[in-house]
Amino acid sequence: SQTIHQWPATLVQPVGSPLSLECTVEGTSNPNLYWYRQAAGRGLQLLFYSVGIGQISSEVPQNLSASRPQDRQFILSSKKLLLSDSGFYLCAWTSSYNSPLHFGNGTRLTVT
Amino acid sequence: DQQVKQNSPSLSVQEGRISILNCDYTNSMFDYFLWYKKYPAEGPTFLISISSIKDKNEDGRFTVFLNKSAKHLSLHIVPSQPGDSAVYFCAASENTYNAGNNRKLIWGLGTSLGVNP
Repeated sequence: SQTIHQWPATLVQPVGSPLSLECTVEGTSNPNLYWYRQAAGRGLQLLFYSVGIGQISSEVPQNLSASRPQDRQFILSSKKLLLSDSGFYLCAWTSSYNSPLHFGNGTRLTVT
Repeated sequence: DQQVKQNSPSLSVQEGRISILNCDYTNSMFDYFLWYKKYPAEGPTFLISISSIKDKNEDGRFTVFLNKSAKHLSLHIVPSQPGDSAVYFCAASENTYNAGNNRKLIWGLGTSLGVNP
């Protein structure tokens, strides 16, 4: 069966520090991969999606970036965090066009 | 502009009764709708979906109804159980291809359901 791993579960980082969140999927090949963010009191916002290695599409202009160095690995990064980057970050995958998204357990990021 | 709206931020129901969660949308091009359930500090979990070619889809205690003319869908949970207490998100997407086989979802803000024993 397919599983998605996302880490760390919680992270507290000072403003201006770098960020790296990692997500891996097991049990499937060539998944579509997604990074979402849920800010306090708001809905899920799509940040990036990828349909293959090295293929990244950005939905929202920001100081975050994403990379997909391997088929089942998706990384969310920032060179310098802002206070506004605080939130709950979720990685998700789907196998095909009409398949539901499957989410990891998320990372709670607090920028201080 | 919120294309998917869940107008009730919270809902409280007695155990054993029916829970009805509502969702309205504005984009007539949406053709695929999903409901997700989310517990605190966890990612959302897929619950049930419906395509626009149907008006009802049932899975155990969960039934989703779609009214295309009213641009409205609802999730019915019967009977409600305390373990159903969670935030429920409605999501929708339209039949657009973007960079391959991607389908992007538009999410509502969620409804927090509390089921009282």
